[in-house]
Amino acid sequence: KNEVEQSPQNLTAQEGEFITINCSYSVGISALHWLQQHPGGGIVSLFMLSSGKKKHGRLIATINIQEKHSSLHITASHPRDSAVYICAGARDSNYQLIWGAGTKLIIKP
Amino acid sequence: DGGITQSPKYLFRKEGQNVTLSCEQNLNHDAMYWYRQDPGQGLRLIYYSQIVNDFQKGDIAEGYSVSREKKESFPLTVTSAQKNPTAFYLCASSILTGARYGYTFGSGTRLTVV
Repeated sequence: KNEVEQSPQNLTAQEGEFITINCSYSVGISALHWLQQHPGGGIVSLFMLSSGKKKHGRLIATINIQEKHSSLHITASHPRDSAVYICAGARDSNYQLIWGAGTKLIIKP
Repeated sequence: DGGITQSPKYLFRKEGQNVTLSCEQNLNHDAMYWYRQDPGQGLRLIYYSQIVNDFQKGDIAEGYSVSREKKESFPLTVTSAQKNPTAFYLCASSILTGARYGYTFGSGTRLTVV
């Protein structure tokens, strides 16, 4: 079993829809990163969280430590949000990041 | 503006040749990392460096080599010993080594070996 699992693998939605991407992680991971990768390949860090909730513009990230689950939400989605969204877990034991496989999001106009 | 520069964006090499990928940062970050990304898979750590003249192997270091002679530079050499070198390579940096610190990524180099 992978230490960090994302779902769904692919997601297509219409502009304006509320988007949720999920990330489950295993024991030994204490913080989650959410990142965005655009078609050109470059990666941008969106959030890093170990508890609660963070918000930046239309993006919201939450984490439930007891359930070992994090979600990334996008409100009022727009075609420019189309990208691959990746979650990565921070191991307690060392500095290593464990990466999810990513969720490919397509927002249609 | 501060950031990470990776070059070139696309690279083609013949099988059996060594190739070096460049990564330069002007963020004054101590830690630098090289990742490999294959289609449908998560990023995998190749090498990382916490300070100048020191680096550590990641999960898939075989067939790769690095150097850290300057704080701002962390080049990756893909050697002929790497059995399947065609992939997307990403360089990253952080203020300190530690997954609780934010990472900055370069735009990547897509290497194709023919």
